[in-house]
Amino acid sequence: GNSVTQMEGPVTLSEEAFLTINCTYTATGYPSLFWYVQYPGEGLQLLLKATKADDKGSNKGFEATYRKETTSFHLEKGSVQVSDSAVYFCALSPNDYKLSFGAGTTVTVRA
Amino acid sequence: GAVVSQHPSWVICKSGTSVKIECRSLDFQATTMFWYRQFPKQSLMLMATSNEGSKATYEQGVEKDKFLINHASLTLSTLTVTSAHPEDSSFYICSAPSGSSYEQYFGPGTRLTVT
Repeated sequence: GNSVTQMEGPVTLSEEAFLTINCTYTATGYPSLFWYVQYPGEGLQLLLKATKADDKGSNKGFEATYRKETTSFHLEKGSVQVSDSAVYFCALSPNDYKLSFGAGTTVTVRA
Repeated sequence: GAVVSQHPSWVICKSGTSVKIECRSLDFQATTMFWYRQFPKQSLMLMATSNEGSKATYEQGVEKDKFLINHASLTLSTLTVTSAHPEDSSFYICSAPSGSSYEQYFGPGTRLTVT
């Protein structure tokens, strides 16, 4: 079956630090990969996505590259801000709209 | 972007009673919606797919008679937790597809507490 393994948190960083959240997946075929973010008190929002191998998704300074050889989709941001404090979820879809989520990583950025 | 709303945002009910949660797509039509359950500090688990005009399809291990889903219109799906018990206490989230690249728009969630 499909599954997503995500780096456990919580992660606490200082402003302007580099952020990496590891995500690996197990799936048959070529799933689409996503990072969703959940800010405090809000619903999940799509942060970025990649639909095929070697695609790089990017948004708000975050990036993730679809690596089929390592079945990974690690999230990175070079310089985090306090406003990036949130829970980040890695997810995959085997191209049928059903999403399988990782456990979520809570990120706290201190000023 | 598209907006999905949920009502109520939180609800407390007594054991043995039923509670209905609404999920609405506010500015687009959704023939399909999804219901997830999120336990504290855990991931979202897909419960069922809500289909407008037909029966919902449930994921393995989800009790159909416990979690009744009705997709009443192209903008409304409801989840009714019947004969609720404390173990049903959770955060319930709905989503609707955006129509492109298999991404979803999520509702803000409903916190259910069964006492």
